[in-house]
Amino acid sequence: DTGVSQDPRHKITKRGQNVTFRCDPISEHNRLYWYRQTLGQGPEFLTYFQNEAQLEKSRLLSDRFSAERPKGSFSTLEIQRTEQGDSAMYLCASSTGTGNQPQHFGDGTRLSIL
Amino acid sequence: AQSVTQPDIHITVSEGASLELRCNYSYGATPYLFWYVQSPGQGLQLLLKYFSGDTLVQGIKGFEAEFKRSQSSFNLRKPSVHWSDAAEYFCAASGDSWGKLQFGAGTQVVVTP
Repeated sequence: DTGVSQDPRHKITKRGQNVTFRCDPISEHNRLYWYRQTLGQGPEFLTYFQNEAQLEKSRLLSDRFSAERPKGSFSTLEIQRTEQGDSAMYLCASSTGTGNQPQHFGDGTRLSIL
Repeated sequence: AQSVTQPDIHITVSEGASLELRCNYSYGATPYLFWYVQSPGQGLQLLLKYFSGDTLVQGIKGFEAEFKRSQSSFNLRKPSVHWSDAAEYFCAASGDSWGKLQFGAGTQVVVTP
């Protein structure tokens, strides 16, 4: 169990640029979640994968956001035409696929928009 | 609407003193309940979880939590805090089988000497 890995840890970019984050879940965890956390708040759910299928997306996930999980392994979260309001910590979590098993979180990617 | 509320934004406690963090939930049925801890710049670590059964659950790092259905509460406690317990604590709930978590706003714990 090597834990959930997220890359990069920090990303600074100019408004209007596209960014992509990667999450490697714990091996054999078939569920993968993305959350967004702004300063002073708890994480908010963005989207969820069961294997390679994206099963739910939050209303927070505008059309500028897209997430994939090809082959049911790692996942990517892309933000197009970044805006100031996208500045946040993006957290990835994974869990096994039975019932409501606890989610294991990565250390997150902190995005700063200049 | 479903919600998780942590009434205390910030708590200061002396090292060695007891700690209690409050969490209330509003769900149609009893959700799955969790407490997570987050150190600065890091992800969340699971402290404990409640699914069913015994209403007093034990977790890691000496933490425990008590589920009270009548009060819709799931409060976290530690008998004697250590300086390393300074962090932000999040209560979370899941009301569906997919495990999507809804978090409270968090409680920042400061430990003084």
